[in-house]
Amino acid sequence: ELKVEQNPLFLSMQEGKNYTIYCNYSTTSDRLYWYRQDPGKSLESLFVLLSNGAVKQEGRLMASLDTKARLSTLHITAAVHDLSATYFCAVPRTTFGNEKLTFGTGTRLTIIP
Amino acid sequence: GAVVSQHPSRVICKSGTSVKIECRSLDFQATTMFWYRQFPKQSLMLMATSNEGSKATYEQGVEKDKFLINHASLTLSTLTVTSAHPEDSSFYICSARNPRLAKNIQYFGAGTRLSVL
Repeated sequence: ELKVEQNPLFLSMQEGKNYTIYCNYSTTSDRLYWYRQDPGKSLESLFVLLSNGAVKQEGRLMASLDTKARLSTLHITAAVHDLSATYFCAVPRTTFGNEKLTFGTGTRLTIIP
Repeated sequence: GAVVSQHPSRVICKSGTSVKIECRSLDFQATTMFWYRQFPKQSLMLMATSNEGSKATYEQGVEKDKFLINHASLTLSTLTVTSAHPEDSSFYICSARNPRLAKNIQYFGAGTRLSVL
């Protein structure tokens, strides 16, 4: 059974600081997704990582994937208040041709002014 | 990109009633849609995969008679929570994949918050 764990579950950080969220998964996968969820809202796609060593950057967020270590990271640079949200990684598993997602536990990020 | 519309956004109902939630792909045809449930402050759990023109496939532990899924067209899937009870109160989110886009990205609806009294 595929398990996806995120660390930390809660993160409170000051504006301007850097931090990294980790996503570990238990079975082989060559791709991984990152999503953002604001309170009471649905998911917004942030990154699609399609291969080992993939690195994607958008603004103050950068995501990477190491398929051999079964690890993805989401790095936040010089955090700003707008980044406060819950972040989920998701790992796909293919069943009968359909790619289904198993979501991580989520990391609730709060940026303090 | 792709737009997925979900309706209603919020529903409050009495225990024992049935509630239907609609998920539409607005600018693409989706042969496959997915239904998730999210309890407060928890992650998303896949409930079922909705396949156009065939029966939905349910994840282990999800009652198919409780959560009826119909995917009657390439742009519409519905989830009906039958005889809802307070423990069914949750945030239900659908997603759809645009088969014309190679990246297999799932696009999510806005979600439906169900409160059963």
